[in-house]
Formats: sequence, C-alpha cells, structure tokens
Amino acid sequence: QQQVKQSPQSLIVQKGGISIINCAYENTAFDYFPWYQQFPGKGPALLIAIRPDVSEKKEGRFTISFNKSAKQFSLHIMDSQPGDSATYFCAALTTSGTYKYIFGTGTRLKVLA
Amino acid sequence: DAGITQSPRHKVTETGTPVTLRCHQTENHRYMYWYRQDPGHGLRLIHYSYGVKDTDKGEVSDGYSVSRSKTEDFLLTLESATSSQTSVYFCAISDLGGGAAETQYFGPGTRLLVL
Repeated sequence: QQQVKQSPQSLIVQKGGISIINCAYENTAFDYFPWYQQFPGKGPALLIAIRPDVSEKKEGRFTISFNKSAKQFSLHIMDSQPGDSATYFCAALTTSGTYKYIFGTGTRLKVLA
Repeated sequence: DAGITQSPRHKVTETGTPVTLRCHQTENHRYMYWYRQDPGHGLRLIHYSYGVKDTDKGEVSDGYSVSRSKTEDFLLTLESATSSQTSVYFCAISDLGGGAAETQYFGPGTRLLVL
C-alpha cells in the first residue's frame, strides 16, 4: 500500500514532442505529489509538485495531471527538448504522517535532437 | 543548490570494513534523510531523522545505522560493508510543516563501491 508505481521505465521522444510519465499509488493518505528531475552525476531536484485538491498544475512546459479517483498522476513535458533528457521520479508524501517520501522507480527520458 | 554537502563523494572499501558517510547542511532544516539509489529500484529510504537524536528506519535499513548529534550533521554508518551495499547514497533535507512547501533538497551523492 506504500508503493508508488511508475511507468514507463524508459522513454524516447523526438524534439518538440510530448513526453508523458505516469504514476499510480494506493495509499489514500498521500497528500503531496512531487516530481523530481535528475541529471547524470547529480542529485534529484524538485521539478513540480501538486496537492490532491487540484486536478492540474502547470509550470512552463511541465504539467502535472492528477486523478484522485483513479489514484494516478502524470507528468507531461510539452515541446520536449534535448536538455530535458534526464531521469524523472515521481513521489508521494503524507504531510500529516511520518514525512517519509515514497519514490517511484524512475523513468529515463531521452529526447532526440 | 541548497546547502547540503556529502563526504566523501567517492569511496572504495573492502567487504567487512566499517564505513561512515557524512551529510552536512547549512539550512537548519529539521528533517534529514539517507537514500540509496540503484538501477531499477529508484530511491529507497534507509533512515531518516526528524530532529537531533530522533531517527527512524526506512524501507532498507538492515545493515545501516545513523546518528544525528547536531542539527546540521547526519551520519550513515555501514557497520560491516557488504557488496550488496555498493550503491549511490544521497542525503536529503526538508523543513515540513507550517504551511511551507514540502520540498526535499538532495545532496550531490556519494558513490560507494564495496569490493
């Protein structure tokens, strides 16, 4: 029940295309859903996050879509660029609980020039 | 980058030897975490701390211990390193509560190879 399942494991997209990464969770107590971006040799860095009281959040080319009833959330990268090539992790957190973040297994994105 | 440093950044050690990794923060954040990152497993929580001398186990805590005697330092110890502990270790900090965004900031990582 604590797992966050992330798919796909890897993704190849043409420059200018849309990259979509999906995550699903079971624990309905989760109330904060961040996405992290990690470049090779670096630590993950927060990209964008959403709370379950909204269905969508957009920051520039990055959008999170949240479906509370389905217990799923996804990251959409519009107009994907080679510089977006990185590993992306979704995560979930219960802010009233033990403050343990649960991470997905990651998606390695490659954007072709 | 948030003020998080990890030391050492790279380490090669032999099976059975003790190893201590250090995480140091200058942000005065309450929460500190140790993760390991392995291909196909993402980031897995080893231990975390919610205050000085207050720690708790994560999902992969066997073979690891931690200590936090000061707000700024969180130590991870492998009592007797094994080859299965070869990994990249990340420290993270956050300052939850009070209506602030629950952003978790990661350090640069420590690459550990156990021979």
